[in-house]
Amino acid sequence: GEQVEQRPPHLSVREGDSAFITCTYTDPNSYYFFWYKQEPGASLQLLMKVFSSTEINEGQGFTVLLNKKDKRLSLNLTAAHPGDSAAYFCAVSALGGSALGRLHFGAGTQLIVIP
Amino acid sequence: DPKIIQKPKYLVAVTGSEKILICEQYLGHNAMYWYRQSAKKPLEFMFSYSYQKLMDNQTASSRFQPQSSKKNHLDLQITALKPDDSATYFCASSQDEQYFGPGTRLTVL
Repeated sequence: GEQVEQRPPHLSVREGDSAFITCTYTDPNSYYFFWYKQEPGASLQLLMKVFSSTEINEGQGFTVLLNKKDKRLSLNLTAAHPGDSAAYFCAVSALGGSALGRLHFGAGTQLIVIP
Repeated sequence: DPKIIQKPKYLVAVTGSEKILICEQYLGHNAMYWYRQSAKKPLEFMFSYSYQKLMDNQTASSRFQPQSSKKNHLDLQITALKPDDSATYFCASSQDEQYFGPGTRLTVL
């Protein structure tokens, strides 16, 4: 089955610096990719979804890169601020987010942004 | 207003007992899911339902039984509870991407 490895498990950056998180996956049939943010004691908030035809997606304050050749998905938080402090999870699915698409999650990255 | 409701938010149970975790979604989605998050393991998929029918199942133990009385409901019944069942259980729903509920934190003593 699909294996998703996420690194680093912990990351501390200073306010204004970039924070870079990477996931690698094993299933070449994986087609849909997601990043979620989880603040302490809270649920998972969808940050972005990326599909196979997309290599780079930009959101508010972050960039997601997909490299299917290397089976690698990355999240780059640009100019991080303390409100970005949270756990970040990548998730991979072969069948999308619809009825058949179970998500395989990475183990998460605990990000701390130091003011 | 919350679009995915999970009840209760916190739950404490004794070993061997039975509990039901409630999930209701008001997003109009046809698919619903259960995931589990514990300190020992990453977020784990448990079940997926579509139009009230089981589509996918990752949970090995029959002690975990999803129940769907309505299209927008997917409850999770857990019997013969064990301390290892202690975790936060998240319900999710989707049309395309999956949205997660606030979770039920279960502690089994």
